[in-house]
Amino acid sequence: QSALTQPPSVSGSPGQSVTISCTGTSSDVGYRNRVSWYQQPPGSAPKVVIFEVSRRPSGVPDRFSGSKSGNTASLTISGLLPEDEADYYCTSYTTDNIVVFGGGTKVTVL
Amino acid sequence: DVQLLQSGAEVRKPGATVKISCKVSGYTFTKYCIYWLQQAPGKGLQWVGLVDPEDDETRYADRFQGRVTVTADTSEDTAFLELASLTSDDTAVYYCATERCNANACSFDYWGRGTLVTVSS
Repeated sequence: QSALTQPPSVSGSPGQSVTISCTGTSSDVGYRNRVSWYQQPPGSAPKVVIFEVSRRPSGVPDRFSGSKSGNTASLTISGLLPEDEADYYCTSYTTDNIVVFGGGTKVTVL
Repeated sequence: DVQLLQSGAEVRKPGATVKISCKVSGYTFTKYCIYWLQQAPGKGLQWVGLVDPEDDETRYADRFQGRVTVTADTSEDTAFLELASLTSDDTAVYYCATERCNANACSFDYWGRGTLVTVSS
């Protein structure tokens, strides 16, 4: 059982938006802005798409956005493209500076 | 370009030990921590352990405590993961990843391609 809770799957048609939630506690997600999101296409290593809750690394399209409210963080993919089909994982750090992961969400582009 | 080059796939019998490597290039090896992460078949990511190559400080996830060792060789810019007393539950892809931090947060910015470890009798 993962420390952070994500929905197992979400889906959307090309051009639509999907949002993935990541729920933790006041000791991890709710503690400071240390949430990141990773995209993992099938058979590939993960890649960071959001860090510090809402910041995008260079090269990541602005279709990807992140936010947080209380103990729940969210990743939104706007203007869904076929290449967005992948597994997405959220991470955070606890008050003891230990990284915790979500169980992953499979995004399907219909 | 930053590269994390991991060693090749390994097969071990139950009870054996495996040691895999992660060679870093493209940045100063001692500048960032290296994490090892486990992904069992069809499952999510789990933290195994980390090493700070600057001072060899290590931390391990509770579920691996006692049978995992993470080290760093600064002369070779290489990190190692050693896992002992293997069981079938250890069959997984193991990733090394570089943790970079700013004043407010950290993230795994660079990843290796993964090393498949298979435990089978």
